[in-house]
Amino acid sequence: EIVLTQSPATLSLSPGERATLSCRASQSVGSYLAWYQQKPGQAPRLLIYDASKRATGIPARFSGSGSGTDFTLTISSLEPEDFAVYYCQQRYNWPPLTFGGGTKVEIK
Amino acid sequence: QVHLVESGGGVVQPGGSLRLSCAASGFTLSSYGMHWVRQAPGNGLEWVAFTRYDGSNEYYADSVKGRFTISRDNSKNTQYLQMNSLRAEDTAVYYCARGSGLSYFDYWGQGTLVTVSS
Repeated sequence: EIVLTQSPATLSLSPGERATLSCRASQSVGSYLAWYQQKPGQAPRLLIYDASKRATGIPARFSGSGSGTDFTLTISSLEPEDFAVYYCQQRYNWPPLTFGGGTKVEIK
Repeated sequence: QVHLVESGGGVVQPGGSLRLSCAASGFTLSSYGMHWVRQAPGNGLEWVAFTRYDGSNEYYADSVKGRFTISRDNSKNTQYLQMNSLRAEDTAVYYCARGSGLSYFDYWGQGTLVTVSS
């Protein structure tokens, strides 16, 4: 099973700042990695797939990069609605599909 | 517009059974693989099960293998999760999710809460 480790667990930032979230895989997942956003009481939403492709309707301030074992989700300038929990997920080797433990982006 | 609506959650005693349903609309269910993903209270996401577009293959997380069964009725645009021998650790919100490229999740339902408690 591929283990995904996200860091930091919590990121405290102000609106307008840049957010950089990390996801590290226990073995290579190629580019088969996705990022999701989840707000309290809501289902997750697909943001990025195949490491760097934005899903339909996702604003350009969200970008993904990386390959192999190290991946980054960047939010270029935080909007108030971006404060949420973010999860990475791999589909390189499954079952099982696996998620990281999440990074909470909170208002500083 | 794609919609997924789960139902069937509730409170059940340990060892009991429950059947979840996921009604799909806005797309042709028979063209997509479908998943169940769960989230225990205050915890992260855990993939549970997958069924191919035609129901020909099923995959399960080790934590539910042998106890849960995923199925679908494409004629009714509905997928199901039969959960038997439920344990306290199965307590979670269960989400139905459409497979994108088989194994990303591009649309999610609102979730249904399953509580296993005596």
